[in-house]
Amino acid sequence: GENVEQHPSTLSVQEGDSAVIKCTYSDSASNYFPWYKQELGKGPQLIIDIRSNVGEKKDQRIAVTLNKTAKHFSLHITETQPEDSAVYFCAPISGTYKYIFGTGTRLKVLA
Amino acid sequence: GAVVSQHPSWVICKSGTSVKIECRSLDFQATTMFWYRQFPKQSLMLMATSNEGSKATYEQGVEKDKFLINHASLTLSTLTVTSAHPEDSSFYICSATQRKVYNEQFFGPGTRLTVL
Repeated sequence: GENVEQHPSTLSVQEGDSAVIKCTYSDSASNYFPWYKQELGKGPQLIIDIRSNVGEKKDQRIAVTLNKTAKHFSLHITETQPEDSAVYFCAPISGTYKYIFGTGTRLKVLA
Repeated sequence: GAVVSQHPSWVICKSGTSVKIECRSLDFQATTMFWYRQFPKQSLMLMATSNEGSKATYEQGVEKDKFLINHASLTLSTLTVTSAHPEDSSFYICSATQRKVYNEQFFGPGTRLTVL
């Protein structure tokens, strides 16, 4: 089955610095690549997504880059703020509509 | 738009009892709904997929007789945990999508189940 890994598993950054989380997947048929943010005790919220015909997408402080050849995509957060502290999950979709969630990255932004 | 709600947000029950969790799409018709389980500090694991009016498809290792799923309408799916045991204690999250393939899933806020 699909294997989805995230690195790093935990990340601490100073407020104002940038954070990068990488998601590596195994299914070459994947064509939709979302990133979710999950705060403690809440459901995941979509923060940005990208489709396979695009290499990069940006939305204010958040960006996602995709390398289909190498089968990985990354989440970039610039000018981090304490409210960015959460667990982030990638969930690439392969040929079906079933999400396979990554292992998760716990981001802590230090004020 | 695209809001999904869950009820209850948390529930505590005694071992051996059954618990029903509701998932509703508030402003759209959900052709497909998904149920996930998340243990502390772990990722979300898909339990089952349900399409309106048909039987749910369960993931490998998920007992269909224990986790009963009903998707009776385009806006409501229910998950019933039958004869709950402490090891069933977890965070249950549903999601819904408007189309069957290649589309964004909208997630509910989750239900914390604690079985004593």
